[in-house]
Amino acid sequence: AQTVTQSQPEMSVQEAETVTLSCTYDTSENNYYLFWYKQPPSRQMILVIRQEAYKQQNATENRFSVNFQKAAKSFSLKISDSQLGDTAMYFCAFSNYQLIWGAGTKLIIKP
Amino acid sequence: DAGVTQSPTHLIKTRGQQVTLRCSPKSGHDTVSWYQQALGQGPQFIFQYYEEEERQRGNFPDRFSGHQFPNYSSELNVNALLLGDSALYLCASSFGAGTQETQYFGPGTRLLVL
Repeated sequence: AQTVTQSQPEMSVQEAETVTLSCTYDTSENNYYLFWYKQPPSRQMILVIRQEAYKQQNATENRFSVNFQKAAKSFSLKISDSQLGDTAMYFCAFSNYQLIWGAGTKLIIKP
Repeated sequence: DAGVTQSPTHLIKTRGQQVTLRCSPKSGHDTVSWYQQALGQGPQFIFQYYEEEERQRGNFPDRFSGHQFPNYSSELNVNALLLGDSALYLCASSFGAGTQETQYFGPGTRLLVL
C-alpha cells in the first residue's frame, strides 16, 4: 500500500527564518508525482509546489523549494524568509492514480 | 476566471438522512475529484469523475455516490448518514483524468451529522 508520512505534527519559527518540513512516502511505483499543499485557517487547499518523480532537478517556486531524494523516498519542503502568511497546515501528497495524503504539519510563523 | 466553487458552505443533518453536495470546476477543467477531510487529518480520496463517469474510487462504501454533468459540474451524494460522516468535503478540479495533474480545490463544505 502507498503511504505518506509527515513526522512533524507542529512546527514554529520566527518570521524571516528558514524552515524545513519533512515528508516520506512508500511506493513500489517508478513514475509518480509529489505535491505540497497548504491549507490556511480559511480551509482552502492551495498548491505550493509539484515534483515529477522522473525529474532529478528539485522544484522551486519563489521562496519554496523541495529536496527530493527518490532512493530514500523523501520529499521535504523548505520555506525561506518565512512570512506571517505562511502560517497554515502543510500537507504532502503522493499521486499515482489517487492522491494519497499525509496527516499534515501545522506551521506557525511568529512575529 | 472563477475558481472551484462548492455549495453549500455548511450543512447540518441527522443520522440516517441523505445529503447532496455540489461542485463547479474551474473554467477549462473537465475532471472533478472529491475528498473527505476529518478534523485534524489529511484528506481521503473518495472518487474522481471524468467524462461523466467514475474513473477512480477510494476506500469508501457505496453510500457515497456521485455524478458529473455535461457541463463538468459534479454532485456528491451520501446516503444513510452516520455520525462518522461529519467532515469537511473538498472538491478539486483538474484537466484530464488521473491525479497527476495539479488539482485546484474549492473552499469545501462542512458537514455535521447529529
